[in-house]
Amino acid sequence: QVHLVQSGAEVRQPGASVRISCKASGYHFTNYAVHWVRQAPGQSLEWMGWIYTGNGNTKYPQTFQGRVTITSDSTASTAYMELAGLTSEDTAVYYCARDGDDYNLDYWGQGTLVAVSS
Amino acid sequence: QSALTQPPSASGSPGQSVTISCTGTSSDVGAYNYVSWYQHHPGKAPKLMIYEVAKRPSGVPDRFSGSKSGNTASLTVSGLQAEDEADYYCCSYAGTSLYVFGTGTRVSVL
Repeated sequence: QVHLVQSGAEVRQPGASVRISCKASGYHFTNYAVHWVRQAPGQSLEWMGWIYTGNGNTKYPQTFQGRVTITSDSTASTAYMELAGLTSEDTAVYYCARDGDDYNLDYWGQGTLVAVSS
Repeated sequence: QSALTQPPSASGSPGQSVTISCTGTSSDVGAYNYVSWYQHHPGKAPKLMIYEVAKRPSGVPDRFSGSKSGNTASLTVSGLQAEDEADYYCCSYAGTSLYVFGTGTRVSVL
């Protein structure tokens, strides 16, 4: 069955960067895109972008342009999300999710807490 | 690209029905039949409940149904059960490979 397993919680100081991994199993990794979504405390889900794992193409919303980088390693069946220039407002749980080929996010990772504090 | 608008809360007694709206624009919800809905219990990963406006993934009870009219999509939960108490989020494709989530609705089972 499909599983997405994310790396563990991170603590960063303001201005730093963080990189989260998302290891996929149970399906052919390069056949499906991977999305990244976050949820800050008390806030709604926020779409951060996605990567077409077959060719490495990415797309980011304007709100994260220039600050987020999504990559993937097909040999490790792993996607990565790096967020730079962290502020306290980036404190959130970050999720990866598989694109289900029907314009939906059908399987999700367990989430990774990123805390930004001085 | 603004978040889709959902009511903050909705509630119903066990066995009743609740309907959640998700209002976007002619550039997202109104433009594409690619609205999906996610159930999110605190501390757990979100779960896909509805995709392409009204389709249910395997394993999702038929108590969950979706629809769309113009720029507004809706999720209806019929025969409410205690385990349906959760946050629900809509999500729409917004063109040029972009997606946008809704503001979220907390469903309470009274």
